[in-house]
Amino acid sequence: NAGVTQTPKFQVLKTGQSMTLQCAQDMNHEYMSWYRQDPGMGLRLIHYSVGAGITDQGEVPNGYNVSRSTTEDFPLRLLSAAPSQTSVYFCASSYANSYEQYFGPGTRLTVT
Amino acid sequence: EDKVVQSPLSLVVHEGDTVTLNCSYEVTNFRSLLWYKQEKKAPTFLFMLTSSGIEKKSGRLSSILDKKELFSILNITATQTGDSAVYLCAVQGRSGGSYIPTFGRGTSLIVHP
Repeated sequence: NAGVTQTPKFQVLKTGQSMTLQCAQDMNHEYMSWYRQDPGMGLRLIHYSVGAGITDQGEVPNGYNVSRSTTEDFPLRLLSAAPSQTSVYFCASSYANSYEQYFGPGTRLTVT
Repeated sequence: EDKVVQSPLSLVVHEGDTVTLNCSYEVTNFRSLLWYKQEKKAPTFLFMLTSSGIEKKSGRLSSILDKKELFSILNITATQTGDSAVYLCAVQGRSGGSYIPTFGRGTSLIVHP
């Protein structure tokens, strides 16, 4: 199993550009989540999904969209990037109501 | 709103020292408390605690939960340079129909040789 994969590893955007961060898992996990991590801030939940076709907002959803058309994929879209979205983004997945989440390697995004 | 507070935010020690990391929380419908270690990459799972007073142990690391006082501690004995990392505490509470973890800011531990 590849586990949780994220692409790209690094990305630089200009203010106003759009892009999609990709996340995929091959463990048949029902739950998938997106977090952002800023220095000294721990992990903050952006959006999450409890199954295909179902998504919900986390703590910091503004400026981000998600969709979950398949169990495996959970892309995160930035429609109009802002410097405040400069961060490291982690995708995670788990079985429904499981205690342990599996994290992807992260995407480091810089918006200038 | 669920809340997780970790202390201290940073800690610098020498090899061989023993450290105690703290995590206090406020959460609706508590399910579990989780500890992760993060070394400049994705967090890796350390412990899951659900019951008060039962110590979880893995080598030099141990953790315990107090559900009455709403806190947990993570102990690391005989620290090594490889223990240098950010230690994250997360609490699972029930939000709607799912258990979504809330993370603290983390404790940055630096172990000098």
